[in-house]
Amino acid sequence: KQEVTQIPAALSVPEGENLVLNCSFTDSAIYNLQWFRQDPGKGLTSLLLIQSSQREQTSGRLNASLDKSSGRSTLYIAASQPGDSATYLCAGPGGTSYGKLTFGQGTILTVHP
Amino acid sequence: NAGVMQNPRHLVRRRGQEARLRCSPMKGHSHVYWYRQLPEEGLKFMVYLQKENIIDESGMPKERFSAEFPKEGPSILRIQQVVRGDSAAYFCASSPPTGGLTDTQYFGPGTRLTVL
Repeated sequence: KQEVTQIPAALSVPEGENLVLNCSFTDSAIYNLQWFRQDPGKGLTSLLLIQSSQREQTSGRLNASLDKSSGRSTLYIAASQPGDSATYLCAGPGGTSYGKLTFGQGTILTVHP
Repeated sequence: NAGVMQNPRHLVRRRGQEARLRCSPMKGHSHVYWYRQLPEEGLKFMVYLQKENIIDESGMPKERFSAEFPKEGPSILRIQQVVRGDSAAYFCASSPPTGGLTDTQYFGPGTRLTVL
C-alpha cells in the first residue's frame, strides 16, 4: 500500500527566497509522481509530472526531482513570489489500478512580501 | 478546450437526503476519477471509472455511495441518506483515453457538500 508523506507541513518565507518542498513515498515501484498546487477553496492545478524514467522536470521557476531508490521527490521553487502562496501536494500511484493517486497531506506555503 | 467541469459547486443537504454530484471530463477524456477531501484531511481516492465501467472502487464507502459514468452524459457520484460526516469537498479528475502510465490527471474545481 502506497503511503505519501510531505514535510514540512507549513512553510513561511520572505519573497525572493529559494525553497524546497519534500515528498517521500513507501512503494518504490512508482512509475510517476505528480506535484499539484491547490489554492484555498479551489481545485487542484497540475504543476509537474515526473515519469519513473526521468530524474527531474522543470517548468519555469519550478523544478521537481524524483529518486526512486530513496523514495523521495523534491519540488524546488526559485525566487519565490507572494503569488506562489498555496498548498502544494504530491501524489503517486497506489493500488492495483494505476489510475488511483495517493496524496500527501500537503505543504502550506506562505510567501510574504 | 474547457477543463473538467463539476456541478454544482456548492450543495447543501439535510441529513437523510440524497446528493448527486456531476462531473464532465475534459473533451476527449474517457477516464474519470473521484476524490474526497474531508476537513483538515488530505485528498483520498474514491473511485476510477471508464465509460460504462467501474475500474477501481476500492476507496468507496461500502454503503450509500455509488458512481457511474454512462456512455452519454457526465459522471455521477451519488450519496444516499447523507450524514454530517459526508460534508467534504468532492473532486473529479479526468485523463485521456490512452490510459498510459504517464497520463496527468486534470482536476475540476470541486463540489463542496454541506450536510446540515
